[in-house]
Amino acid sequence: AQSVSQHNHHVILSEAASLELGCNYSYGGTVNLFWYVQYPGQHLQLLLKYFSGDPLVKGIKGFEAEFIKSKFSFNLRKPSVQWSDTAEYFCAVREYSGGGADGLTFGKGTHLIIQP
Amino acid sequence: GAGVSQSPSNKVTEKGKDVELRCDPISGHTALYWYRQSLGQGLEFLIYFQGNSAPDKSGLPSDRFSAERTGGSVSTLTIQRTQQEDSAVYLCASSQGTSGRPYNEQFFGPGTRLTVL
Repeated sequence: AQSVSQHNHHVILSEAASLELGCNYSYGGTVNLFWYVQYPGQHLQLLLKYFSGDPLVKGIKGFEAEFIKSKFSFNLRKPSVQWSDTAEYFCAVREYSGGGADGLTFGKGTHLIIQP
Repeated sequence: GAGVSQSPSNKVTEKGKDVELRCDPISGHTALYWYRQSLGQGLEFLIYFQGNSAPDKSGLPSDRFSAERTGGSVSTLTIQRTQQEDSAVYLCASSQGTSGRPYNEQFFGPGTRLTVL
């Protein structure tokens, strides 16, 4: 069974600092990769996704992530964080089986706090 | 409504009681998913429906858990003889399902917070 590891459970940064959240997965086959974000009091929402092609993907709010197949990694980055980026961030993996509807395997999440 | 809705938003029950959690997916979404978010465990996939059938029940933690979906719309997750370890937030998501695309984004609901005393 596949698994997803997020290295940092809690991260505290100051505004304008650069961010990188680590994510590694265990599955060796074809995968789809995602980062979800949950702002305080809100639903989970998709930040960005990777299916194929350019391994550097850009998402909403200035976030990007790089898929490195040899390292089984999909790290999330942002050059300059804002106070409003305070949230819980989840990395997720879907084993691609050819269909469009399969359950996601999530990491345990990283709680990001941005200090003004 | 425009998004996925779940009810109740909070449920407190006594150990041994049965509970039913409801999910209303986005209109037109054929795929529906249930996840559980426990403290320290992150999000666990429980089950998904394509239409009214459930091709993958592998994530259900025990035979006390069951789910059904009728009319290709509303789904209920039932937990029988609840235990304290069942306390968690139960999330529902829906997507457009299989339509020839490699992936259809899952849209999540607000969740039901279940507390078993």
